[in-house]
Formats: sequence, structure tokens, C-alpha cells
Amino acid sequence: KAGVTQTPRYLIKTRGQQVTLSCSPISGHRSVSWYQQTPGQGLQFLFEYFSETQRNKGNFPGRFSGRQFSNSRSEMNVSTLELGDSALYLCASTPTGPYNEQFFGPGTRLTVL
Amino acid sequence: AQSVTQLDSQVPVFEEAPVELRCNYSSSVSVYLFWYVQYPNQGLQLLLKYLSGSTLVKGINGFEAEFNKSQTSFHLRKPSVHISDTAEYFCAVSPSGGSYIPTFGRGTSLIVHP
Repeated sequence: KAGVTQTPRYLIKTRGQQVTLSCSPISGHRSVSWYQQTPGQGLQFLFEYFSETQRNKGNFPGRFSGRQFSNSRSEMNVSTLELGDSALYLCASTPTGPYNEQFFGPGTRLTVL
Repeated sequence: AQSVTQLDSQVPVFEEAPVELRCNYSSSVSVYLFWYVQYPNQGLQLLLKYLSGSTLVKGINGFEAEFNKSQTSFHLRKPSVHISDTAEYFCAVSPSGGSYIPTFGRGTSLIVHP
């Protein structure tokens, strides 16, 4: 099976712009989670989508949003970018079942100038 | 709620030496435990997981971990490390028996010197 894919891999934006990141989960996985990874804060959970519905949400401002499509692909959007949004954004998909093992994509490296 | 503490932010070690990366967790319910590895410029990859049963869990690349319920620990070990083991290692915990998002530790950077 193909792994989790994320596009683009690298992105440079300026403050105030908005950005959309995309994630394609492993075929058959219906849960998609998003994380922000920074050197100072480590891995922070943004939100999780399951069957096109947001099921869990982390403690991030409303500038961070996401959605999931019927084919389980997911997008996350960050509006009004700030310098502090520079990070590696990771997407993970989880198969149906109770074990909660997550399969991660390679991430999108976002740099805000 | 769960929490995870990785006691060392950085662990330097020489090649072929043994290594232990420490992880302690806190939870009021039964948990599943995971160790992930992240190589530079990559996502996280599962090393091993504890769901139930034997407390000694073997994973990929020669790593193993031992679940100690009384000490609420899940330390990761390898008897002989290689340069290629240089990476960031994350411990994670999630409540068992449901669809929960794992809670991750802050990570431990393993640096293997020749």
C-alpha cells in the first residue's frame, strides 16, 4: 500500500497570507490527524477528522482549520499567517479499530517570512 | 487525561554501545504505549507498541521496550547502536479500548558518535 502523502513538501509564505496543505491517507484509513512540530513546542495536535467530520480538536486558534473529503483526503488551512506558524506540519492516518497506531506522512515544511 | 514525560532531551552515545531512552507516563485508565522514530526531514515511523500481554515488546531495527505498570514507564532499549540510529525518538500514550488521539512526549534526540 502507498503511504501517507503530503503536498507540498516545502512552502514559503509571508506574514498575513494564507496557506492550504494537503494530505492523502493510506487507502482504507478514514481517520486523518494533523500535527504542528516545532523545536520549542515539540509535536502538538491540531485536529482529527473521521468520515468528513472533525472528531477531535487541539488547542489552536481559529486561524487553523481543516476539512476532510469523501475519499478521506484532508486539507488544512492557516489564514493570516504569523512568523510563529513556521513549522513542520505532519499528517497521520489511522486505520479503523481501537489500537490508535498512526501512520505519518513526511510533512510539509512551512516557512513564514 | 494522559501525559508523557521523556526524561532526556538528548542522549549522546558511541557506536556499538547500549542505549536506553526513558519514558514515563501518567494516566487514570488503561493505556496503549508507542515508540516512534523520526529521521531528519521525515515523518514519524512506528518502532514498536504495547497493547497488552507480555511486558517486553520487540520492535524494528533491534529496539525493544519494557512496560512497567507499577512505575508507569515504557523505556526503549537497544543493546548496540549504529550511526544510522541517530534520530529523534518519541514516546506516545493513548487510552485503550477506543478511538483516541495519542499524547506524545517532547522527544529524545539520540546522537550516535563513531
